[in-house]
Amino acid sequence: EAGVTQFPSHSVIEKGQTVTLRCDPISGHDNLYWYRRVMGKEIKFLLHFVKESKQDESGMPNNRFLAERTGGTYSTLKVQPAELEDSGVYFCASRGDGGYEQYFGPGTRLTVT
Amino acid sequence: AQSVSQHNHHVILSEAASLELGCNYSYGGTVNLFWYVQYPGQHLQLLLKYFSGDPLVKGIKGFEAEFIKSKFSFNLRKPSVQWSDTAEYFCAVRGNNQGGKLIFGQGTELSVKP
Repeated sequence: EAGVTQFPSHSVIEKGQTVTLRCDPISGHDNLYWYRRVMGKEIKFLLHFVKESKQDESGMPNNRFLAERTGGTYSTLKVQPAELEDSGVYFCASRGDGGYEQYFGPGTRLTVT
Repeated sequence: AQSVSQHNHHVILSEAASLELGCNYSYGGTVNLFWYVQYPGQHLQLLLKYFSGDPLVKGIKGFEAEFIKSKFSFNLRKPSVQWSDTAEYFCAVRGNNQGGKLIFGQGTELSVKP
């Protein structure tokens, strides 16, 4: 069984540019989560999808961040326009319905210069 | 607000030393507790969890953790560490009615010297 995958693994962009991160969850997992870790800080929750619906987006920092999960499969997280403080590692995790464990992807390291 | 505090940012031990990583949480209701580990170059993976029952839980690779409700703590222990335990360790909590989102501590980087 393939694990959670994320693309790209690294992204370096300039302030003001747009970046789109992608997450492919484990097949059949309805729950998909995005988290972010800014350097030296804790991993922070961003949002939670159940299938294609946003269940909880309380952790999204501001309206420069847009997450989608069309069709309830993969998800994208777009940052537009990017700011310096958006730099960090963005993790995606998925969980099967009824399960308790979140399976994490390798993360995307975003650097905004 | 919910929060998780890990006591140490970086711990350095020699092989065979005993390990205890502290974790305290702040949450008003029933919680589920987790320890995750991230080995160098690898994904975060679940080490162990506590939902209910016996407060002493055992996980993979010889790790265990004890839930002490009165102290809001969930400390991670291992009697004898190995070089391969070098990794970053994260304590996390999830409220029972929180839809599954995890609240993480800051992480503790463990370096084990051979």
